[in-house]
Amino acid sequence: GENVEQHPSTLSVQEGDSAVIKCTYSDSASNYFPWYKQELGKRPQLIIDIRSNVGEKKDQRIAVTLNKTAKHFSLHITETQPEDSAVYFCAATAVGSYKLIFGSGTRLLVRP
Amino acid sequence: ETGVTQTPRHLVMGMTNKKSLKCEQHLGHNAMYWYKQSAKKPLELMFVYNFKEQTENNSVPSRFSPECPNSSHLFLHLHTLQPEDSALYLCASSQDGRNNEQFFGPGTRLTVL
Repeated sequence: GENVEQHPSTLSVQEGDSAVIKCTYSDSASNYFPWYKQELGKRPQLIIDIRSNVGEKKDQRIAVTLNKTAKHFSLHITETQPEDSAVYFCAATAVGSYKLIFGSGTRLLVRP
Repeated sequence: ETGVTQTPRHLVMGMTNKKSLKCEQHLGHNAMYWYKQSAKKPLELMFVYNFKEQTENNSVPSRFSPECPNSSHLFLHLHTLQPEDSALYLCASSQDGRNNEQFFGPGTRLTVL
């Protein structure tokens, strides 16, 4: 069945450094790839998404890249700040599908 | 945030109890979802409703029974649960069920004794 793998499971960076989280997906029909941020005790919230007709998307300090051939996509956070500390989930879905398959999450810690 | 609300926020129940979780969305969306979030596991999709019709049942045990009376409300009826069902149950909604941003509720923290 569909599967999304996410790495690393934990990531600790110094404030100001960059953080990269990587995901791979198994369903070649997947065409929508959102990233959610979940702060401790709070609900997941969408931070950025990308569709398969685009290779890269950027929103201020956050960027996502997509390699359809290799079936992987990545989240890049530059100039990290302590408030970026949270669990980040990648997800993938397929054309016409109602299912969003989530990765296992990455706990990001930004050290002041 | 008040776009998607869930009640109760916390629930403790015995294995023989019957309880219901409620979700309400005020965003005018047509699709609603139930997810289970356990410690150290991915978000697991349980059910999807699109325009009040169930479109996904992700092999969920029958002790979980969803109900969607209209596009704004979603229930999860619980009956004879097991301790391993203890988790955070998240409701979400989206404009429709296809490739759109999902907005999550705050979740119900369920403990089954």
